[in-house]
Amino acid sequence: GQQLNQSPQSMFIQEGEDVSMNCTSSSIFNTWLWYKQDPGEGPVLLIALYKAGELTSNGRLTAQFGITRKDSFLNISASIPSDVGIYFCAGQGSDYGGSQGNLIFGKGTKLSVKP
Amino acid sequence: NAGVMQNPRHLVRRRGQEARLRCSPMKGHSHVYWYRQLPEEGLKFMVYLQKENIIDESGMPKERFSAEFPKEGPSILRIQQVVRGDSAAYFCASSPPVGANVLTFGAGSRLTVL
Repeated sequence: GQQLNQSPQSMFIQEGEDVSMNCTSSSIFNTWLWYKQDPGEGPVLLIALYKAGELTSNGRLTAQFGITRKDSFLNISASIPSDVGIYFCAGQGSDYGGSQGNLIFGKGTKLSVKP
Repeated sequence: NAGVMQNPRHLVRRRGQEARLRCSPMKGHSHVYWYRQLPEEGLKFMVYLQKENIIDESGMPKERFSAEFPKEGPSILRIQQVVRGDSAAYFCASSPPVGANVLTFGAGSRLTVL
């Protein structure tokens, strides 16, 4: 089946640091989405990207839709403790024939606070 | 404006029993999706439904799993004769007819099979 490679798998942050994570795929996607999931909860949409090359911000979060349509990154600037959680990328695409809402999810990047 | 409501939040079943998970979409949303999440994994698409219609069930296991979204009432994901491998978090999401790529997820139902 389709797969998204999301990296890093986990990272530790110190308050104030910038954070970067990315997703790559062998398939072309029409839409890239970034979600955050807190323990025991469902994913919450952070940013949606609809066009190759698009760069979109949501507060301290910035995400880009790669020009090849096969990758995306998410940056978090000046991290704060409540940024801790698991971040998922998801793609909805063209060349794997998925219906609307048939999203392919990465395995997640787990953000934790540096001890 | 309530979000996507799922119940039960936690369900424990013994092997061979049936599990029924319910999902009420957001107000104004007519599209419902079910996803499954295993520990330490991302979400995997199972099925996409509109009222009284299954649109895409390409992610549903061929046996024991079924889903419906009746004209009245919540969407139901039904798992018959559960096995230990069915233990997972099951998430429902909904979307409006327009901009249907933007899914709003519920808090999930966590199924444990003993």
